[in-house]
Amino acid sequence: QKEVEQDPGPLSVPEGAIVSLNCTYSNSAFQYFMWYRQYSRKGPELLMYTYSSGNKEDGRFTAQVDKSSKYISLFIRDSQPSDSATYLCAMTSGSSGNTPLVFGKGTRLSVIA
Amino acid sequence: DAGVTQSPTHLIKTRGQHVTLRCSPISGHKSVSWYQQVLGQGPQFIFQYYEKEERGRGNFPDRFSARQFPNYSSELNVNALLLGDSALYLCASSLLAGNQPQHFGDGTRLSIL
Repeated sequence: QKEVEQDPGPLSVPEGAIVSLNCTYSNSAFQYFMWYRQYSRKGPELLMYTYSSGNKEDGRFTAQVDKSSKYISLFIRDSQPSDSATYLCAMTSGSSGNTPLVFGKGTRLSVIA
Repeated sequence: DAGVTQSPTHLIKTRGQHVTLRCSPISGHKSVSWYQQVLGQGPQFIFQYYEKEERGRGNFPDRFSARQFPNYSSELNVNALLLGDSALYLCASSLLAGNQPQHFGDGTRLSIL
């Protein structure tokens, strides 16, 4: 079992739809959870950064963390064609010292105008 | 402010050769991490450096090495290149080591012939 599981998609939605992206993980030591957006031929861009369980909202984006279920989600409201990209979940224990990010495979999203 | 910058953007090498990739972190960031991203996969952790000291190493062979300079820039070196080393190499910087969000550059795309 991989440490972080993420459905690679592809996921195709019409413009204006609500998009739900998800990851599950197995390591209970993970405390910090991130969502990155990666456009083709670009590096990952940090979208959301959350600690422990709960919700965080930033504009059209909402990140949810459920540590009891080892499950994280990213919701995109009013999706736009410019949201078409690969979305990567990442997580880390966050302890001092060695804190590598562990990534999912990424979900490829297409928003159709 | 400039983000994380990496050079070169593209590189073509042949098997057995050596390569050096370079990274300049965001101004004020003291930690640099390196990741390898193979097509269709999430980034895999290679190294983390903080204050010029190695803080962590991923599951990569000894052909991979890195260092961080007094100005916090970093180099990743790969010896005896194999076809399987073809990937996007990403550098990420953060203010400190530990639970700090990591910001990525656009990477160096390395192709091995």
